[in-house]
Amino acid sequence: QKEVEQNSGPLSVPEGAIASLNCTYSDRGSQSFFWYRQYSGKSPELIMSIYSNGDKEDGRFTAQLNKASQYVSLLIRDSQPSDSATYLCAVNLGNQFYFGTGTSLTVIP
Amino acid sequence: GAVVSQHPSWVICKSGTSVKIECRSLDFQATTMFWYRQFPKQSLMLMATSNEGSKATYEQGVEKDKFLINHASLTLSTLTVTSAHPEDSSFYICSARGQPGELFFGEGSRLTVL
Repeated sequence: QKEVEQNSGPLSVPEGAIASLNCTYSDRGSQSFFWYRQYSGKSPELIMSIYSNGDKEDGRFTAQLNKASQYVSLLIRDSQPSDSATYLCAVNLGNQFYFGTGTSLTVIP
Repeated sequence: GAVVSQHPSWVICKSGTSVKIECRSLDFQATTMFWYRQFPKQSLMLMATSNEGSKATYEQGVEKDKFLINHASLTLSTLTVTSAHPEDSSFYICSARGQPGELFFGEGSRLTVL
């Protein structure tokens, strides 16, 4: 069983819509949770971190964490074509970080 | 966020030569850095965990004699691909753990071995 699982997509949404990205993790001891955006040919860029249950909002991005369900999500409101990228979910456990395989998002103008 | 700088961004070398890639944390000290490789349209693959002042911990299947990692200071880790071959061509990315425990990535280094 993989530590972190994501739906690989591809996910397509029209411009202005809400994009919803989901992630589950296997180890209940996981401490911190992150979302990265990776454009094609570039390295991952941290866009959200969340450490406790509930929602965390930053601009158009909202991360949601539910430790009981071992579930992390990322909502992107008012999606823009520039949001088209692969989104990686990451989980920190001890000194290690575990990444999902990423969800490819395309925002259609 | 914290800044991690990686150099060079691009490198082309002949088969059999060695290539060194540098990873620097510019505005924070990193006791732990990670090295990844990524093939086109595939996910990140962790190669090794680099700890300042000690030997790197390599993932299963990664040849430590081929991929030499040195973490001599709190701001610098290097990856040397020794006797590179075409199958080593890939996108190599380093990352460093800042505060409060977030992981920041360098820009990546694209290696092409002819």
